This record gives sequence, structure tokens and C-alpha cells, in this order.
Amino acid sequence: NAGVTQTPKFQVLKTGQSMTLQCAQDMNHEYMSWYRQDPGMGLRLIHYSVGAGITDQGEVPNGYNVSRSTTEDFPLRLLSAAPSQTSVYFCASRITEFGNQPQHFGDGTRLSIL
Amino acid sequence: GNSVTQMEGPVTLSEEAFLTINCTYTATGYPSLFWYVQYPGEGLQLLLKATKADDKGSNKGFEATYRKETTSFHLEKGSVQVSDSAVYFCALSTGNQFYFGTGTSLTVIP
Repeated sequence: NAGVTQTPKFQVLKTGQSMTLQCAQDMNHEYMSWYRQDPGMGLRLIHYSVGAGITDQGEVPNGYNVSRSTTEDFPLRLLSAAPSQTSVYFCASRITEFGNQPQHFGDGTRLSIL
Repeated sequence: GNSVTQMEGPVTLSEEAFLTINCTYTATGYPSLFWYVQYPGEGLQLLLKATKADDKGSNKGFEATYRKETTSFHLEKGSVQVSDSAVYFCALSTGNQFYFGTGTSLTVIP
């Protein structure tokens, strides 16, 4: 059981480049989310999805785009990378958006923007 | 609004010492409460959870009790090991949102 899988694990980009961070889960979870983790700031929610075809913005959505065409996959796109987007990105999933179930996290993508 | 406040770190303890990491919350409704642990270079792993008042979550020697009267969910362990060195996050779930504390770094020295 792979759980939540994120690729790549590490990436270096130049300012202005675009890229897609991949996230896949094999637990048939309806709810998926993207966070960024920065020193001293904990986890901040970027975007989330409560099911295929439905996405919504979190706390820090600017500069990021998401789509959810299948239950399994929830890619995060950086449209034009900026140094302020240097961070560690985590994808997470949960059975449903409500209730008392925890979120399950991937191992993260460490992204550096030069 | 909803929020989680954790004690600031870093925390450094000697092996076999007693651990407490404080967590208090503000929430509407009846939240569920969680502790996650993050080892270096890894993602967050669920450590324990409690879903209603007076529930005690426990796992791997760690415990936390959901205290509604003090809006707290403090993490405790009676005897820490070097392998417990990690960052610990308190979190709450209410409605369809999760809220995380900023994390507390723990280092256990032999």
C-alpha cells in the first residue's frame, strides 16, 4: 500500500520557469490538499479538493494552480516560479472532507527557485 | 476563528527524561485533535488522535488527553529516546478544514 506518493523529491528551478508537482494516492480518498512548509511558519494550505472535478483555494493560493480530473491524482502547477516559492511542498489526503479522520501525508517535494 | 498554539522550541532533553509539549486550541463546534510527528527529510506521520472531550490518544508511549475545559491537548511521554528526536505538530479538524500549529522541534541527547 503506497499511500500518498509525491514526485519529484527534489527540484531546482530558475525564476520564471513552470513545473508540475505530482501527487497520487491509492486509498480512494475523496479529499486531497497541498501545503507548503516554511521555517517558523508551520504548514500553510495552498489548494484543496473535496472530490474529482472540485478544487478550492486555501490560505496561500497565488502563483499555484491545481486540477483534479481523477480521484487518485492532484497535481500542483507553478505557473512562473519565483524565489518566494522556495519551500517544501506536501500533498495530503483524507477519506472525506468532514469527520474525524486524519490526513495522510506524502514525503514532500523540496523545491528551490534560483 | 480556529487556531492551534504550540509551545515554541526547540526542546532539548536527555534520554529517559519526561516530555511535555503544550498545545492549546481555539475552535468552533466540536473539533477532532491530532498530533503528528515529522522526522528529518520525511512527511508528517499521524502519531495519535482524539475525537471528543476526555478521550485519550496514545501510541508508541506518547499520550495526549482532549481537555475541553482548558481547550488543550498536551503531548506527553514518560521516558524519551534518541529516536524520538523530530518535529511534533498539533492539529485540529473542524468542518472541512485542518489547522496546524507551527511545530515543536525535539532533540533527545544520549
